[in-house]
Amino acid sequence: KNQVEQSPQSLIILEGKNCTLQCNYTVSPFSNLRWYKQDTGRGPVSLTIMTFSENTKSNGRYTATLDADTKQSSLHITASQLSDSASYICVVAPGLTGFQKLVFGTGTRLLVSP
Amino acid sequence: KAGVTQTPRYLIKTRGQQVTLSCSPISGHRSVSWYQQTPGQGLQFLFEYFSETQRNKGNFPGRFSGRQFSNSRSEMNVSTLELGDSALYLCASSPTTSGRANEQYFGPGTRLTVT
Repeated sequence: KNQVEQSPQSLIILEGKNCTLQCNYTVSPFSNLRWYKQDTGRGPVSLTIMTFSENTKSNGRYTATLDADTKQSSLHITASQLSDSASYICVVAPGLTGFQKLVFGTGTRLLVSP
Repeated sequence: KAGVTQTPRYLIKTRGQQVTLSCSPISGHRSVSWYQQTPGQGLQFLFEYFSETQRNKGNFPGRFSGRQFSNSRSEMNVSTLELGDSALYLCASSPTTSGRANEQYFGPGTRLTVT
């Protein structure tokens, strides 16, 4: 069964610190992996999309890595800010299929404390 | 360009009632997908519309239905509401059909509470 597991479920860090969120997947075949940021009560906003051939992608202070061999991805946040407090969702697209096949993780809830 | 808009943002309904949610995609986008998000379950795909046609449907009962208009605006309807339908309903638009899962842009969602 195609699955996406994220860890930790929740995380509290101090403002200015770095953190890394993990995403392990069993989705096969693999097309692309996305990271979304979702503020409370809002819709998800795309941070990065990586295909099989990409192993690192950055978006400002957010850097995503992908290891397609071990089926693991991580999202690294540098110099965290209060506005980084949100849920981060990992999504994997299996093969050349449509939106109905996207596999969503349940997210990591990050709280950045002053 | 304006983003995806959803109305209403919040809704409280009673069991047994029906509800209609609306989504306006980004201008020029023809694909609209609907998702249900509940705590601990993550996002679950409801259906996708492209050029007024339902392209794909998730594993939800027939009480959940939708449609898309010629201007790409979409509506989702839930009949005979149950307590378990309480959730954040998200709409996402994409410029192309879902033949391949391209970039999606999500709206702010409609928070539905069923009492």
